[in-house]
Amino acid sequence: GAGVSQSPRYKVAKRGQDVALRCDPISGHVSLFWYQQALGQGPEFLTYFQNEAQLDKSGLPSDRFFAERPEGSVSTLKIQRTQQEDSAVYLCASSLEGTYNEQFFGPGTRLTVL
Amino acid sequence: ILNVEQSPQSLHVQEGDSTNFTCSFPSSNFYALHWYRWETAKSPEALFVMTLNGDEKKKGRISATLNTKEGYSYLYIKGSQPEDSATYLCAFTPNTGGFKTIFGAGTRLFVKA
Repeated sequence: GAGVSQSPRYKVAKRGQDVALRCDPISGHVSLFWYQQALGQGPEFLTYFQNEAQLDKSGLPSDRFFAERPEGSVSTLKIQRTQQEDSAVYLCASSLEGTYNEQFFGPGTRLTVL
Repeated sequence: ILNVEQSPQSLHVQEGDSTNFTCSFPSSNFYALHWYRWETAKSPEALFVMTLNGDEKKKGRISATLNTKEGYSYLYIKGSQPEDSATYLCAFTPNTGGFKTIFGAGTRLFVKA
C-alpha cells in the first residue's frame, strides 16, 4: 500500500514569503506528527494530531507556524513570513494511534529560505 | 529539560564486524522508546518500539535492549553488512500528558566492504 507522501519535496522561498507544506498520511492512521530537522540533528517535534484534533502543539517555534488536519487525513503545515532560520527538512509521520506505535515517515520537504 | 543522547556520533566498521550503539534518556516518566534506521535519500524506517523495562527485541541481525530504570537502550548489529550503513535514531516518548517524541541526533554507521 501507499506510504506517507509529502509535497513539495523541495521548496525555495524568499524571506518573508508564506509557505504551505502538505502531508498525506497512510490511510486509516489516526495519529499524525510534524517534525523539523536541522542539519546534523535529529528530528524535532513540532505538533501532533489525533484525527482532526491538534492535541499537542508545544513544539511549534513561533506563532508564524500553523498546522491543520481538517478532515482527519491530509495535513498542512503553514509557515508565515518565513525567516532564514526556518530552513530545514520538515518531516511528517503517521501511526495507527498514539506514541507507542511505530511511526511511518514521509520523505520530507526540504525548505530553503533565502 | 528532556534530552536524548546517542553515542557514538559516528562509527566506521568493517564488513562482518558486530557493533552496538547507546541511547540514553530520562529514567523518569518513561512511556516508550523507539529505534529508527534512516538511509540517505530515504525516509526513516521503524526498527523497534519498546515499552517495558527489560524488553529485548530482534529483527534479523539487529536487536535492542531496554533499561528504563537507568535510562538506556542498546542497539546491536551482528555481522555488519554494507547495506547496514545508515543513521540509527533513538526516540523517547515521555509519559507527561503530551504527545511529544524526542529524538536523539543519531549514530551514523559506515560499513566498509
